[in-house]
Amino acid sequence: EVQLVESGGGLVKPGGSLRLSCAASGFTFSLYSMVWVRQAPGKGLEWLSVISGRDESETRYADSVKGRFTISRDNAKSSVSLHMNSLRAEDTAIYYCARETHEGDFDYWGLGTLVTVSS
Amino acid sequence: EIVMTQSPATLSVYPGERATLSCRASQSVHSKLAWYQQNPGQAPRLLIYGASNRAPGVPARFNGSGSGTEFTLTISSLQSEDFAVYYCHQYGYWPLYTFGQGTRLQIK
Repeated sequence: EVQLVESGGGLVKPGGSLRLSCAASGFTFSLYSMVWVRQAPGKGLEWLSVISGRDESETRYADSVKGRFTISRDNAKSSVSLHMNSLRAEDTAIYYCARETHEGDFDYWGLGTLVTVSS
Repeated sequence: EIVMTQSPATLSVYPGERATLSCRASQSVHSKLAWYQQNPGQAPRLLIYGASNRAPGVPARFNGSGSGTEFTLTISSLQSEDFAVYYCHQYGYWPLYTFGQGTRLQIK
């Protein structure tokens, strides 16, 4: 059974940093690209970042987080991380990791971890 | 950036009736379109991929159609568990993926 479990969320002050992690199990992790998607309170879904399974150096970011967030993965540990710097109030959201299929849709999602940016 | 526009924002339907949700892309995404269902406090769930393919375990009452810029999700004979928020998602231009703003399907 595929499982994705996020961790690392919490309360952080504006300008602060946080590192989110997503532990994966139930599939061959290195064969899949992984993504982070967030959802601000009462809002819709926003794709943030992707990291290739084949080439860990192949990453992309949404403009809203480019230069502030860094995605990485450890295939040996079946985990993907999101390092978030220079956090802003508008980064407050539930952050989900998801598996990207070879077609591009997201077939499995974690339950999410809440990040609150507030002084 | 490809903009995805869903309509209506809110749809009220009686249980047992049919619901039709629409999603329009600002430019063609071919058939690279997925639909997700999200219940309150839960993660999104993949329903449809490739515009018309049901994900494993998704009931046959969920049907996706369309290509290019116009897409539809039809739910026939609505069940209580179907009342949720639905999002479309284009993945035609890796990795500049975008979601629609969502349609809230509520009980009439």
